[in-house]
Amino acid sequence: QKEVEQNSGPLSVPEGAIASLNCTYSDRVSQSFFWYRQYSGKSPELIMSIYSNGDKEDGRFTAQLNKASQYVSLLIRDSQPSDSATYLCAVNPGGSYIPTFGRGTSLIVHP
Amino acid sequence: DADVTQTPRNRITKTGKRIMLECSQTKGHDRMYWYRQDPGLGLRLIYYSFDVKDINKGEISDGYSVSRQAQAKFSLSLESAIPNQTALYFCATSDFQGAREQFFGPGTRLTVL
Repeated sequence: QKEVEQNSGPLSVPEGAIASLNCTYSDRVSQSFFWYRQYSGKSPELIMSIYSNGDKEDGRFTAQLNKASQYVSLLIRDSQPSDSATYLCAVNPGGSYIPTFGRGTSLIVHP
Repeated sequence: DADVTQTPRNRITKTGKRIMLECSQTKGHDRMYWYRQDPGLGLRLIYYSFDVKDINKGEISDGYSVSRQAQAKFSLSLESAIPNQTALYFCATSDFQGAREQFFGPGTRLTVL
């Protein structure tokens, strides 16, 4: 069974710090990787996608992918209280293209 | 206007009642999905459809049925609601081409008494 694992948290960081969120996956043939942000009671919102090994930066967000070690991470620089949310990792395996979601990591950024 | 809409946004119903949740999208995507989300359990896939003639069960389809009325519309039905179907329900879409990231509707909060 394809699995995507995330630490449920909460991860608490001070405002202005770097928040590091991690995700591991079991399916070696996975091809696409996504990070979604979800505020309480709201729907998931895509914030980053990454497809090849290495880093991808978008503003304060950096996604890192290491297929050999089967992990993907999300770094949030200069964390703000508005970044406080649950972050979902999603992995698209090869073949069916049905994504598998992790259970999410709760991030709290305190002033 | 929202690209993916869901109706109703909130619903309280009683055990045994039939209820339908509706999803519409203007993104022109072929693929549509229904998920439920429970605290601590993440998103779980109920049903998905790759086009109008294609319906597939997800990991938790028991007690649910779906209808893909058109490319833009995908409805989820609970034939006889039970309290453990109380959850937040999301519809999502994705394109056949490209990265296949998903776009979510605003959700329906369903309470079964």
